[in-house]
Formats: sequence, C-alpha cells, structure tokens
Amino acid sequence: EADIYQTPRYLVIGTGKKITLECSQTMGHDKMYWYQQDPGMELHLIHYSYGVNSTEKGDLSSESTVSRIRTEHFPLTLESARPSHTSQYLCASSEYGRRGEQFFGPGTRLTVL
Amino acid sequence: KNQVEQSPQSLIILEGKNCTLQCNYTVSPFSNLRWYKQDTGRGPVSLTIMTFSENTKSNGRYTATLDADTKQSSLHITASQLSDSASYICVVSSLNNNAGNMLTFGGGTRLMVKP
Repeated sequence: EADIYQTPRYLVIGTGKKITLECSQTMGHDKMYWYQQDPGMELHLIHYSYGVNSTEKGDLSSESTVSRIRTEHFPLTLESARPSHTSQYLCASSEYGRRGEQFFGPGTRLTVL
Repeated sequence: KNQVEQSPQSLIILEGKNCTLQCNYTVSPFSNLRWYKQDTGRGPVSLTIMTFSENTKSNGRYTATLDADTKQSSLHITASQLSDSASYICVVSSLNNNAGNMLTFGGGTRLMVKP
C-alpha cells in the first residue's frame, strides 16, 4: 500500500467556510498532484507540483489553491466553500521519470451544504 | 485534444466468469498506458503499465494488451471474484518537456461481480 495520506477522509461543512485538505507522503517523491472526481466520473487534474515552492494549475479550473513548502506536504485550500465544490479530492505523488507511477491517497469526500 | 474513451461504462458479470474491458485513446506523444483499479471511496491503484514496445502484460488474473498502431488497449479479467467489483480506469501518459509525464484519464468501467 502506498505511503500517501489524506485527511480528513470525509468533511461536511457549510457554505462560506474556509477549509484545508491535507495530503502528505513519506516516499520522498518530488511530484505531487491534486485531482477532483465527481461520483462515477473521471479524474480531473486541478493542481500539481514539481517540488518545493513549485505549484501549477491543472487541466480543470479550480477556485482552490495549493502550497508546497515541504517535499512531503501538499495541502489544498478553499477560501470560501460553495456547494459546487462538493466532490471527491484525490492526492497523488510520483517520482520523476517516464514510467513514474502515480500513487494515490484514499481521497477526501467533501460535501458543502 | 488528448482523449481516452472506455467501454463499456458498466458491466455486471457472475462470479467465476471472464470479462474484457476496452480502452481507445488519442494521446500524443504517447509514453505509456496504465490500468488502475479503484475501489469505491478509495484512490486508484495501478494494475499494469505498458510502453510502446509492449503488447501484453499480466498481473495475476489481470492481463492487459496494447495495440499502439490502432491506439487500443484491453484489460482481461479471468475467473472473476467478488473483490474484483470496482472501477477500472485506463490512463495514458504523454510526454511534456516542461511538465514531465502528464496523464489523461478515461471515464472508467464500473464492474460488478455477483455471486
């Protein structure tokens, strides 16, 4: 099993709240990713990072922001949550290289009321 | 635009039966193709990876094939078990000089194995 962790696993909050989804990995991977996945739908990349102090936006536009101050930690923040942010958020990490497998965390299921 | 299409969208089979899932892609430049298994409420887990020169790869009861000419892949599951019930996602990696490998995800096939 991959050493990549996400907390919380489930979160139900009210509109307008600020939230931070935590992701950490102990594999020493430089590359980390955040995906958004609606039930039964495909994953969409919303953020990625090549390493410390590197953050990039993915294919799917997102109002969330990320930071990468430490190699092992890649938190995602929503300043003001809305019902449209309700989804599953998956964090992943990988080594550099052509065959670098992405290892996924268990996900955070977010519901905004 | 890079795309990965999977079929069928969902499939119900009886325990012990075999099944084959399909994946067609238009991703360029091609780097590799992976099949992931995603249990409900969990993150995806890699089953197989194939590069351009590999046309078959097995992992236990899972066998993946790749035809790089027609840009098609399949995942064959032999002697299905109840624990095979999950979504199976085809993921194609393309090389991006600036960003390294970038992934295009298929929509997945939701497999249900019934006793």
